[in-house]
Amino acid sequence: SQQGEEDPQALSIQEGENATMNCSYKTSINNLQWYRQNSGRGLVHLILIRSNEREKHSGRLRVTLDTSKKSSSLLITASRAADTASYFCAASAVGGATNKLIFGTGTLLAVQP
Amino acid sequence: GAGVSQSPSNKVTEKGKDVELRCDPISGHTALYWYRQSLGQGLEFLIYFQGNSAPDKSGLPSDRFSAERTGGSVSTLTIQRTQQEDSAVYLCASSPQRGSDTQYFGPGTRLTVL
Repeated sequence: SQQGEEDPQALSIQEGENATMNCSYKTSINNLQWYRQNSGRGLVHLILIRSNEREKHSGRLRVTLDTSKKSSSLLITASRAADTASYFCAASAVGGATNKLIFGTGTLLAVQP
Repeated sequence: GAGVSQSPSNKVTEKGKDVELRCDPISGHTALYWYRQSLGQGLEFLIYFQGNSAPDKSGLPSDRFSAERTGGSVSTLTIQRTQQEDSAVYLCASSPQRGSDTQYFGPGTRLTVL
C-alpha cells in the first residue's frame, strides 16, 4: 500500500496548548497537503506545501516538509476546542496526470476546553 | 458558491444488491475524484475523471465497482452485488482543472451493507 502514516493516532490536549502531528509518506511528491475532517464526513483543505519548500505558515498553522526523510509535520498553535477533528496529510505524487492524493491514516485531535 | 454535493448522504442496503452513489462537482471543475474511507482509516483513491473520460481507474477494488461521468459534470459510482466489506464512506472531490493542487470534497455518502 502507498498509504502514508501519521502519528500520533490520537492526541488530547488542553485549550491554548500547541498540537503537533507528524506524517510520513512513501512516494516522491509534487506537494504535500493537510486536510481536516469533522465527524467522519467531508474534508476541508487546510494548507499545501510544495516539494521545494521547507516551511509554510497560515494563521495558526505551521507546516514543515523534509523530502529527504519523506516526512511532514503540522503544528497548530494556541489550540481551541473548535480545532477538535481528524487531520490527514495527503501526498500528491510525482508522475502521471491524475493528481490523485495518497492519504495518511490520520490523527484524531481532541482539544479539551 | 455551491460546493460539491453528494447523494444520498446515507445508504443502507442488503448484501447482494446494487447501489448508485451520485456526485455533483463544483460548476466548471473538470477534474473529479472518488475516494473511499473505511471505518477509522484514511482515504483510498478509487477513480479519477478528467471531463467525461477516466484516465485512472487504478483504485477500483474489483469489477463490481464502476463509475461514469456525463456532460463533464455529474458522476455516478455504481457498486454491483454489494458485500459487507464495501461498507464505508464514499467521498467525491473536484478541482478546477488537470494539475490543480487543491481538491474540494463533498460531504460523502455513508454506505452500510447488511
